[in-house]
Amino acid sequence: DQQVKQNSPSLSVQEGRISILNCDYTNSMFDYFLWYKKYPAEGPTFLISISSIKDKNEDGRFTVFLNKSAKHLSLHIVPSQPGDSAVYFCAALTQGGSEKLVFGKGTKLTVNP
Amino acid sequence: EAGVTQSPTHLIKTRGQQATLRCSPISGHTSVYWYQQALGLGLQFLLWYDEGEERNRGNFPPRFSGRQFPNYSSELNVNALELEDSALYLCASRWPGQTSYEQYFGPGTRLTVT
Repeated sequence: DQQVKQNSPSLSVQEGRISILNCDYTNSMFDYFLWYKKYPAEGPTFLISISSIKDKNEDGRFTVFLNKSAKHLSLHIVPSQPGDSAVYFCAALTQGGSEKLVFGKGTKLTVNP
Repeated sequence: EAGVTQSPTHLIKTRGQQATLRCSPISGHTSVYWYQQALGLGLQFLLWYDEGEERNRGNFPPRFSGRQFPNYSSELNVNALELEDSALYLCASRWPGQTSYEQYFGPGTRLTVT
């Protein structure tokens, strides 16, 4: 039973355009969400997070949107750069709980020059 | 500041053997987490250690175990290895006092069971 789902295994965009990565979750107890980026042969790197008390968080070119009623979040990258090409993981947890991050399977983003 | 380090980078074992993986957290971080990333799957939570104690474990059999040392480094032990244990094992650390929940990951140990 997958509690965090990233339904698009891959996404390809042109340099300079917007990249939108989507994530859905089923567990209504999740109240904190994170995005990680992973290059081959490296560990995941934290990108941005959002608490369920917010619906948007922005950090430079990265913005995460949270729609609690739809149990959906998205990561927007604007403008996309070739160096953004990586696998992006969505993760969720319940604050004050087990601190266990529940990850999606990832979306491989390719940004073409 | 040094990041999370893991050793070895690669490990090849035979079915039935035992594997030991090591992790050193970022200085000042007392919590260590272990995750397994098998082929085609996302990261699956294995274990959480804090202040030397096991705080939580994921849905893995008891042959997956570990410990945390007084210097907060950690070991993951996998006994009676099975072919499906072949995966990337990632360690992460966090300082419990931080207000955000991000965990900082090491580069991983690639375990291959033949």
